[in-house]
Amino acid sequence: GQSLEQPSEVTAVEGAIVQINCTYQTSGFYGLSWYQQHDGGAPTFLSYNALDGLEETGRFSSFLSRSDSYGYLLLQELQMKDSASYFCAVKSGAGSYQLTFGKGTKLSVIP
Amino acid sequence: DVKVTQSSRYLVKRTGEKVFLECVQDMDHENMFWYRQDPGLGLRLIYFSYDVKMKEKGDIPEGYSVSREKKERFSLILESASTNQTSMYLCASSLSSKNTEAFFGQGTRLTVV
Repeated sequence: GQSLEQPSEVTAVEGAIVQINCTYQTSGFYGLSWYQQHDGGAPTFLSYNALDGLEETGRFSSFLSRSDSYGYLLLQELQMKDSASYFCAVKSGAGSYQLTFGKGTKLSVIP
Repeated sequence: DVKVTQSSRYLVKRTGEKVFLECVQDMDHENMFWYRQDPGLGLRLIYFSYDVKMKEKGDIPEGYSVSREKKERFSLILESASTNQTSMYLCASSLSSKNTEAFFGQGTRLTVV
């Protein structure tokens, strides 16, 4: 089966940088995604890494190391609106694929 | 914009009832997913489908079934609802197996009493 581990909660100060880590165990790994979910809202896609290295999208960056089964989401210049839950998700399978999510990290940004 | 629509935002059903949760996407996506979300447990995959009439079990399929008779519609069925199926149910779709982004509906908060 699949399993993903990420911290349950993180608190950071507005304007700072925060890193949310994710380790995974899976077979048939294709890539690692990150999703953001505000309270009461639907998860929305942030990024996807299929290859090792860093992908940057504005204030958000995502990193993957396939050999270590590890990735992280880096949020820079934190804003209050970044307070949300962040989920890593593994795309895996053979032929068809499934998307398996971690339990999520609740990020609280404080003034 | 891709739109994934779930038929109900809130639903209250009695134990033992047969419950249908409907999900429709309007962008001709091949893949569709059903998750349930519970506090502290994240999103857990119930079933997914990569084509019409095709379905595969996710991590927690027990007590659920699905139907995909048309490409745009993916239904989750609780054959005999139980109180431990009280949860937020989220439907998602993605264009194809090559595509990386999944789009979610707003969720159905199901309460079984």
